[in-house]
Amino acid sequence: EDKVVQSPLSLVVHEGDTVTLNCSYEVTNFRSLLWYKQEKKAPTFLFMLTSSGIEKKSGRLSSILDKKELFSILNITATQTGDSAVYLCAVETFGSSNTGKLIFGQGTTLQVKP
Amino acid sequence: DAGITQSPRHKVTETGTPVTLRCHQTENHRYMYWYRQDPGHGLRLIHYSYGVKDTDKGEVSDGYSVSRSKTEDFLLTLESATSSQTSVYFCAISPRDVSYEQYFGPGTRLTVT
Repeated sequence: EDKVVQSPLSLVVHEGDTVTLNCSYEVTNFRSLLWYKQEKKAPTFLFMLTSSGIEKKSGRLSSILDKKELFSILNITATQTGDSAVYLCAVETFGSSNTGKLIFGQGTTLQVKP
Repeated sequence: DAGITQSPRHKVTETGTPVTLRCHQTENHRYMYWYRQDPGHGLRLIHYSYGVKDTDKGEVSDGYSVSRSKTEDFLLTLESATSSQTSVYFCAISPRDVSYEQYFGPGTRLTVT
């Protein structure tokens, strides 16, 4: 059974801290790994990773994928209160019809205190 | 923001009644998806569509059906709602011909009493 596991499930930090969120997966037919941010509404897309070892970066957020060890990390540096959200990791698998399906982890709830 | 709307945004219904949720997109994307989100389970795929009249089941499809008669609309129907279907439902679209990420609608909060 395909599975995506995120850790930790929740995290409380203070502004300025650096955090690392983890995502491990066991799936057949891996195509890509995606990170989303959810703030009490719809998830918003952050990154999509397909190749090992290539860091994706957007401002204070960065992510990298390790396809050998089957995990990804999402780093947030110099955290701000606006980073408080649920961070979702999802793995896209593909079937015989070339249609992809996303399998989500449980999410990591990040709270950044002033 | 991707042009995705969902209706209704909130609904309360009684056990045993049929319910239809609508997802509408203005992006002309071929792929559309329905998810439910529950505490402790994250987002789980219910059904998806890869074209008009082309649909397939996701991991939690029991008790749900879908239809797609036009590119822009993807309907999710609960034939006979149960309390276990109380959830937040998200629609998503994907420009898969260009890239694989999915973009989500605002969600529908459904309560079955």
